[in-house]
This record gives sequence, C-alpha cells and structure tokens, in this order.
Amino acid sequence: EAQVTQNPRYLITVTGKKLTVTCSQNMNHEYMSWYRQDPGLGLRQIYYSMNVEVTDKGDVPEGYKVSRKEKRNFPLILESPSPNQTSLYFCASTGTQSLKLFFGSGTQLSVL
Amino acid sequence: KNEVEQSPQNLTAQEGEFITINCSYSVGISALHWLQQHPGGGIVSLFMLSSGKKKHGRLIATINIQEKHSSLHITASHPRDSAVYICAVGKGSNYQLIWGAGTKLIIKP
Repeated sequence: EAQVTQNPRYLITVTGKKLTVTCSQNMNHEYMSWYRQDPGLGLRQIYYSMNVEVTDKGDVPEGYKVSRKEKRNFPLILESPSPNQTSLYFCASTGTQSLKLFFGSGTQLSVL
Repeated sequence: KNEVEQSPQNLTAQEGEFITINCSYSVGISALHWLQQHPGGGIVSLFMLSSGKKKHGRLIATINIQEKHSSLHITASHPRDSAVYICAVGKGSNYQLIWGAGTKLIIKP
C-alpha cells in the first residue's frame, strides 16, 4: 500500500530537549516536505527536499533541521525545542509522475 | 491580501444539501489541489486539476483559469463529509504550494 509513515503520532517534551520526527515513504517519490499546522493559520511549509541530499527552506524554517540521506526518509529535527514549536506537524511526498500529494498521519507536538 | 482565498470559512448544512466551496487565487498556477482533513488530523488529496472539471463519486471539482477560480461541490451531502476542505495552488513548480486557510464544513443529520 502506498503510504507516508510518520512517527510518533503524539509527542510531549520539554524545552531544549532534542527530538526527531521520522517520515518515510514507500512510493519512490522525489519530493518530500514538512509542514506545521496551527489554528487559524493553515499549513505552513518548514523545509522541503527535491531529492537525496537536496533540501531547502520553506516559509518557517527557524528552529528546525532536516536531512535527506536516503530517498525514502526525511526526518525533521528540533535541536532545542521551544514552546512556540508546539504544533501539528505533517510530512508529505509527491512524485514527478502523478504530482498527487500523499500525507503522513501527523505528529501532535507539545513543548512544555 | 492572501494569494489563495477560500470561502466560506465555515459552512453548516443539512444532510442531503448541495455544497459549494470556493477558492480564488491571484497568481499564475501550474495546478490546483483540493484536500480533505477530518477531525483527528489526517489529510487526504481529493483532486488535482489544471483545467476543466473532475468528478469522483459525489465530489466534483471545477477550475476556471481565466477567472482564477475553482469550486468544490458535494452532492447529496452526508455527515461523514464533515471535515475541513483545503485548496492549494502550485505556483511555477507544482512542488511549491500556496495554501488556503481551509473551509470547515459541518453536515447535520
């Protein structure tokens, strides 16, 4: 089954404790992206990747890091989380063939 | 002014009603996406279109490139259609999307 697998689904942490949210897709997609969703603001892009070892900043990259060492994986790293990073996070992927978007199930992050 | 505007922001209707959600944009686009987000978070792609009209079951999406406007219609609406519907446009490259704020739809039995 074609899918984007995102983990964990829920995460509560404290300020400053490094964390990683994993994202993996099984569709051989070139393009992967991370979004955050906050009430009233809609989806905002954090980082995206056009292919392996190619990443770029989206609209709200501050406080986040990503890596794309393998085509299927695109982890989101928060080196020193702060309360303003409390949000719902989504990973998404798409390929050059169909351009249809596939989303992970989301990660609800709370930074205390 | 946002580059992608959705209307209405909120819509409550009775089961069986015909629903229309609108999306207007101000930029040149390569394609337009309609997505659905149910309570609990998951986002599902409904349509991607660059011209004309697409239909899937009770859902119909249309786009008018000249008027920079798209509509999502739901026929014979059902409570399970209750969700947030999001419009997003691909600007230049279809990988870079501009997102609408979403329309929250509630269908009452």
